[in-house]
Amino acid sequence: NAGVTQTPKFQVLKTGQSMTLQCAQDMNHNSMYWYRQDPGMGLRLIYYSASEGTTDKGEVPNGYNVSRLNKREFSLRLESAAPSQTSVYFCASTQGRRGHSTDTQYFGPGTRLTVL
Amino acid sequence: KQEVTQIPAALSVPEGENLVLNCSFTDSAIYNLQWFRQDPGKGLTSLLLIQSSQREQTSGRLNASLDKSSGRSTLYIAASQPGDSATYLCAVVQGAQKLVFGQGTRLTINP
Repeated sequence: NAGVTQTPKFQVLKTGQSMTLQCAQDMNHNSMYWYRQDPGMGLRLIYYSASEGTTDKGEVPNGYNVSRLNKREFSLRLESAAPSQTSVYFCASTQGRRGHSTDTQYFGPGTRLTVL
Repeated sequence: KQEVTQIPAALSVPEGENLVLNCSFTDSAIYNLQWFRQDPGKGLTSLLLIQSSQREQTSGRLNASLDKSSGRSTLYIAASQPGDSATYLCAVVQGAQKLVFGQGTRLTINP
């Protein structure tokens, strides 16, 4: 049981390049999330998927797109990377049962992205 | 818009001391509040989750309290150890299980 896995661990891009960050969970969770963590800003929600087949914007969605490929996988795409997207990106998942407030979120190890 | 604040931003104490980390939030309409630990260069590990109807939760040397009406939570760490050194983050859960995080408290326990 690996929990939440993310690839790649590190990535350097040039401005304007595109890339996709991959996330997978093996806990049969319904809900998945993408956050970014910047110094002094804490973690901020980019996009989330409450259940398979649905995605919604979070607090900072501009410049990103997501795909919930199936129940296990949730990818984050940067179409045209900008230096402002230099950050550490975390994927998370939770059981996400309707009406349950006791579901803990489990986080992946993060992807450290630098855009030059 | 929900805002979560953690004070202090950094804390350094000698080993063995009991300590309290603070978290405040502006909107009391939350489902639950979670405390996480983050080691340098690593992801987040959940420590405690307090439902909105609860007042506190305990796990080993950790005790978290929640006062929704005042918008406050505290994380109490008893008999601190060097292995407790990490950044501690609190987060409140609102609709669709979305977390709103504080900026964290960086804790250093000195041997």
